[in-house]
Amino acid sequence: DAKTTQPTSMDCAEGRAANLPCNHSTISGNEYVYWYRQIHSQGPQYIIHGLKNNETNEMASLIITEDRKSSTLILPHATLRDTAVYYCIVRSPPGTYKYIFGTGTRLKVLA
Amino acid sequence: DGGITQSPKYLFRKEGQNVTLSCEQNLNHDAMYWYRQDPGQGLRLIYYSQIVNDFQKGDIAEGYSVSREKKESFPLTVTSAQKNPTAFYLCASSRAVSGANVLTFGAGSRLTVL
Repeated sequence: DAKTTQPTSMDCAEGRAANLPCNHSTISGNEYVYWYRQIHSQGPQYIIHGLKNNETNEMASLIITEDRKSSTLILPHATLRDTAVYYCIVRSPPGTYKYIFGTGTRLKVLA
Repeated sequence: DGGITQSPKYLFRKEGQNVTLSCEQNLNHDAMYWYRQDPGQGLRLIYYSQIVNDFQKGDIAEGYSVSREKKESFPLTVTSAQKNPTAFYLCASSRAVSGANVLTFGAGSRLTVL
């Protein structure tokens, strides 16, 4: 089964870009990478997803390497409200309804 | 506004009692899911349902049961057979289509066994 690997924690200064990496070297060819974040004791919030090309929306940008083995979520101007646990997830086995959540990256935005 | 409603938000139960957590969605999504989260851990899949009257076990289904009698509803029962039921429970839904399949989550239910 595919899995994802993320750093346990990261700090970022307020107003600076936060770059959160994720390794998903076993991802299948047609599976998307999804990013969510979870603020303490709340349900995870969808951020962005991508397949091969880089993606951008009002919340973040997603950079996917050409070999699709890793990706980086970019929060361009981090604020204190971006402090949360960020999860990079994939479906495994492919085409199923099973999403693999790791332990995520705990991002702390510092004033 | 469309979304997922979980209730109750907090629940306390005595050992040996069954408890049912409610999950209702008005997103017209076909698929629904139940996850369990323990402190400092990621989400683990308990059960999922792709369509009404059908559901599949996830990775940690022992001690849990579900039903899917209506498209909008996917209640989870935590039975007395679940050895360590104290946890944060999250319900989610998604469209059952190929390609990108974004999950929408509820706010969660926190169960504490006394």
